[in-house]
Amino acid sequence: SQTIHQWPATLVQPVGSPLSLECTVEGTSNPNLYWYRQAAGRGLQLLFYSVGIGQISSEVPQNLSASRPQDRQFILSSKKLLLSDSGFYLCAWSVEGQYNEQFFGPGTRLTVL
Amino acid sequence: AQTVTQSQPEMSVQEAETVTLSCTYDTSENNYYLFWYKQPPSRQMILVIRQEAYKQQNATENRFSVNFQKAAKSFSLKISDSQLGDTAMYFCAFMKLRFKTIFGAGTRLFVKA
Repeated sequence: SQTIHQWPATLVQPVGSPLSLECTVEGTSNPNLYWYRQAAGRGLQLLFYSVGIGQISSEVPQNLSASRPQDRQFILSSKKLLLSDSGFYLCAWSVEGQYNEQFFGPGTRLTVL
Repeated sequence: AQTVTQSQPEMSVQEAETVTLSCTYDTSENNYYLFWYKQPPSRQMILVIRQEAYKQQNATENRFSVNFQKAAKSFSLKISDSQLGDTAMYFCAFMKLRFKTIFGAGTRLFVKA
């Protein structure tokens, strides 16, 4: 069966520090991968999606970036965090080439102080 | 641009009773997918139910069913025989363009014993 992992589960970082969140998927190949941010009391905002290794599409301009170095690995990064980057970050995957549900990871709660 | 509106920020229901969560969306497309996702306090987002716009029959999954009104662009979720474990944040979501799912702001549902 397929599983999706995210780490760390929680993170507290000072403003201006770098960020690296990792997401890995097991049990499937060539998945579509997504990074979402969920601000407190709000819905999910799509940040990035990827349809293959090295293929990243950005949905919103920001100081975040994403990379997909391996088929089932998706990384969210920042060189310098802002206070506004605080939130709950969710990674998700879906089946290649199909309009289908997305399967979400457990999320990372990021607090920027 | 597509939008998804959930007009009920919070709702509560007594255990074993029925509750309906509202969702409306705006699109000029004819073929698309609609979803209800559940996010319990553990924050793990899971799919509750999905509906293809080309299907007139309302989707049903055990105690969960939808009332899909395509002309009115309405997609409500009905939870029958509510259980304490149904306490969660519920997100309505719309998918037309590949990889791009638009989420509503969510409805927080409390099931009371």
